[in-house]
Amino acid sequence: AAGVIQSPRHLIKEKRETATLKCYPIPRHDTVYWYQQGPGQDPQFLISFYEKMQSDKGSIPDRFSAQQFSDYHSELNMSSLELGDSALYFCASSFGTTSYEQYFGPGTRLTVT
Amino acid sequence: AQTVTQSQPEMSVQEAETVTLSCTYDTSESNYYLFWYKQPPSRQMILVIRQEAYKQQNATENRFSVNFQKAAKSFSLKISDSQLGDTAMYFCAFMKMGRRDDKIIFGKGTRLHILP
Repeated sequence: AAGVIQSPRHLIKEKRETATLKCYPIPRHDTVYWYQQGPGQDPQFLISFYEKMQSDKGSIPDRFSAQQFSDYHSELNMSSLELGDSALYFCASSFGTTSYEQYFGPGTRLTVT
Repeated sequence: AQTVTQSQPEMSVQEAETVTLSCTYDTSESNYYLFWYKQPPSRQMILVIRQEAYKQQNATENRFSVNFQKAAKSFSLKISDSQLGDTAMYFCAFMKMGRRDDKIIFGKGTRLHILP
């Protein structure tokens, strides 16, 4: 069965640079969620989209923006990167009314040096 | 606001033993979901088990079962006949029921070591 795809899997950036993380949900899934997991931390919700509209927003820095495109894939754009942005970024997807079944992607490991 | 508390940062048990991971949560919601997620060294987030708050019957998935005490806001995970592959970080998690507010809130996690 198809799973959530995230690219790239690993990304190394320098401070003040920009990064773009991509998420391709499971086919037919219309909702995408982004979570950030810092080293030794639990995942923290950043933002979600349902049918290409922002659905919910968590503790996402103003330096970050995200959107969901017409093909339902989503991109998380991160600017003016800081050392503290180094983390594992998960994307999860779900379908419509069954949002209790969120399928997680493998994550993108971002390292800011 | 909802909170999830896991009071055991780390646990170790011998292979084939039974182990119970504790979790408490706080919410004013009456309808919600509770989850246990497993995160092995690969860092993949894997759903272990899900419990709907409106269901009185405790969820079971093979060797994994939960003890859901709604009034006490307690949600423990029991792993029977533990295996080496169960070694992982386990997160207890909460999600409100309903559209547009379906983010998952995780606890701090319990690192479980299964010893040979």
